[in-house]
Amino acid sequence: DVKVTQSSRYLVKRTGEKVFLECVQDMDHENMFWYRQDPGLGLRLIYFSYDVKMKEKGDIPEGYSVSREKKERFSLILESASTNQTSMYLCASTPDRSNQPQHFGDGTRLSIL
Amino acid sequence: AQSVTQLGSHVSVSEGALVLLRCNYSSSVPPYLFWYVQYPNQGLQLLLKYTSAATLVKGINGFEAEFKKSETSFHLTKPSAHMSDAAEYFCAVSDRVYGQNFVFGPGTRLSVLP
Repeated sequence: DVKVTQSSRYLVKRTGEKVFLECVQDMDHENMFWYRQDPGLGLRLIYFSYDVKMKEKGDIPEGYSVSREKKERFSLILESASTNQTSMYLCASTPDRSNQPQHFGDGTRLSIL
Repeated sequence: AQSVTQLGSHVSVSEGALVLLRCNYSSSVPPYLFWYVQYPNQGLQLLLKYTSAATLVKGINGFEAEFKKSETSFHLTKPSAHMSDAAEYFCAVSDRVYGQNFVFGPGTRLSVLP
């Protein structure tokens, strides 16, 4: 079974800090995604990646960047955290571009104080 | 551009009653459609998916959904609710042309009353 692991379940940081959220998948999936989840808004795509060292902007990339140095790992970076980035962050992966459903991690609940 | 609407941010049913969660989509190309469930403090799990093989799709935990092209709908049903079904449910669409351009609905929280 596919396992998508997010390094932290809960994280508290301060405004202005640089924050790293890590995600690792163990099934050699090509595609990885970062979403944020807010009540009433569903999931909104921040960034995604189809291959190592490749990234594409999603719907709300402002204030975020990503890194994919290895196929199994996709990192989300908040360059200078702000309170409006307090949210639940979800990582997902899929095998390829064949419209297979996404496999999700358990999420990181991030609070910016 | 694709979009998904879910009618009702919160639905309450009694245990044993029919569950009906509504999903309507818009897509300029034939869609793939998905229902996911999210239990508290967890990620999303796939319930079922529509990929054009059959309009009535059966998923896990007794859920099923019917694709109706004329109504652009993909409503989720379960004949008899169980307490363990209490969770948040998300409908999602992706198109067949541009690859995995997933768009999620805002979610519906299902409460099951004893």
